[in-house]
Amino acid sequence: AAGVIQSPRHLIKEKRETATLKCYPIPRHDTVYWYQQGPGQDPQFLISFYEKMQSDKGSIPDRFSAQQFSDYHSELNMSSLELGDSALYFCASSSPNSAGELFFGEGSRLTVL
Amino acid sequence: AQSVAQPEDQVNVAEGNPLTVKCTYSVSGNPYLFWYVQYPNRGLQFLLKYITGDNLVKGSYGFEAEFNKSQTSFHLKKPSALVSDSALYFCAVRDDRGSTLGRLYFGRGTQLTVWP
Repeated sequence: AAGVIQSPRHLIKEKRETATLKCYPIPRHDTVYWYQQGPGQDPQFLISFYEKMQSDKGSIPDRFSAQQFSDYHSELNMSSLELGDSALYFCASSSPNSAGELFFGEGSRLTVL
Repeated sequence: AQSVAQPEDQVNVAEGNPLTVKCTYSVSGNPYLFWYVQYPNRGLQFLLKYITGDNLVKGSYGFEAEFNKSQTSFHLKKPSALVSDSALYFCAVRDDRGSTLGRLYFGRGTQLTVWP
């Protein structure tokens, strides 16, 4: 079965650089969520989109932005990167039929040097 | 407000013994409860969920969890642990109010180690 696809899987950037992470949800899933998981931490909700509109917002820094496109894939844009942005970024998707269950991708590991 | 507490950072058990990973929750409405497992440098894998119905929920890999409304708990259990069960386990919750598209709130995770 198709799963949530995230790219790139690994990314290394310098401080103050910009990074873009991509997420391709499971086919026919219309909602995408972004989570950030720091080392030894629980996943922290950043933002979500439903039918290409922002549906919820969590602890996403102002330096970050995201959007969901017409094909339902989503991109998380991160600017002015800081050392503290180094983390595993997860994308998850769901549909109205999944009773709240989120299906997670394998994550994109961002390292800021 | 919604929150999840996993009171144990680590749980250690011998292979073949039963295991329990504890979770308590707080929600305003009725809870949707989930358990996810994470292996090193991997994504979160769904184990099981409670939405409604029987309080004992059976999931993947022989895991089960018991929903206890009076104690607001949703402990994860397995009758006989395997070394391959060693991983990080997250409990998560959302309530049933409003949209079904709401975020999940995660606990801090419990590292389960099963030794041979």
